[in-house]
Amino acid sequence: DTGVSQDPRHKITKRGQNVTFRCDPISEHNRLYWYRQTLGQGPEFLTYFQNEAQLEKSRLLSDRFSAERPKGSFSTLEIQRTEQGDSAMYLCASSYRQGRSYNEQFFGPGTRLTVL
Amino acid sequence: TQLLEQSPQFLSIQEGENLTVYCNSSSVFSSLQWYRQEPGEGPVLLVTVVTGGEVKKLKRLTFQFGDARKDSSLHITAAQPGDTGLYLCAGVRGAQKLVFGQGTRLTINP
Repeated sequence: DTGVSQDPRHKITKRGQNVTFRCDPISEHNRLYWYRQTLGQGPEFLTYFQNEAQLEKSRLLSDRFSAERPKGSFSTLEIQRTEQGDSAMYLCASSYRQGRSYNEQFFGPGTRLTVL
Repeated sequence: TQLLEQSPQFLSIQEGENLTVYCNSSSVFSSLQWYRQEPGEGPVLLVTVVTGGEVKKLKRLTFQFGDARKDSSLHITAAQPGDTGLYLCAGVRGAQKLVFGQGTRLTINP
């Protein structure tokens, strides 16, 4: 399977702990996106990368959140000092950007975070 | 504030019935997409509509983009239990960032 993969699929942690999620995009895709989806809502944009450069961050991404894509391939999303409000599904998507036309974003299965 | 409002949020109907889901916004989008999401999985793209007034069909699903490119609808004919899922509309803006509606959870009862 050569789709977007995310690890872990589920994470349960205690309030105040740090967590890190990984996303492996489709191999030739140069853009990588992170979204957050809470129960009963649609996904909300957090940030995106083109290659290794982080080009946009949502105001939802507080100082406790950091995302990296060091070699322009996989990406990590870290949440420090987790809070119960961070409980959500964290979705990763990738696409291939060429020119100005829109290119489909392919989503991974998500990491479900539960903060106790 | 939700930029894209979907209605209804929940819909439960019997197999064989028809249904329409709406996606409305006060903003103009360069294109609009419809996704379907199964529990515990990421959204899967169903269709992208780009031109105002555009209609696209995918088997029993018909998608329409409003003339002003602010709203869209999804119509399902003769719904089947396999159509059960969360349907999301998403507008494309800026650098291809997706803005999602809150979703319509559809249940088709046998």
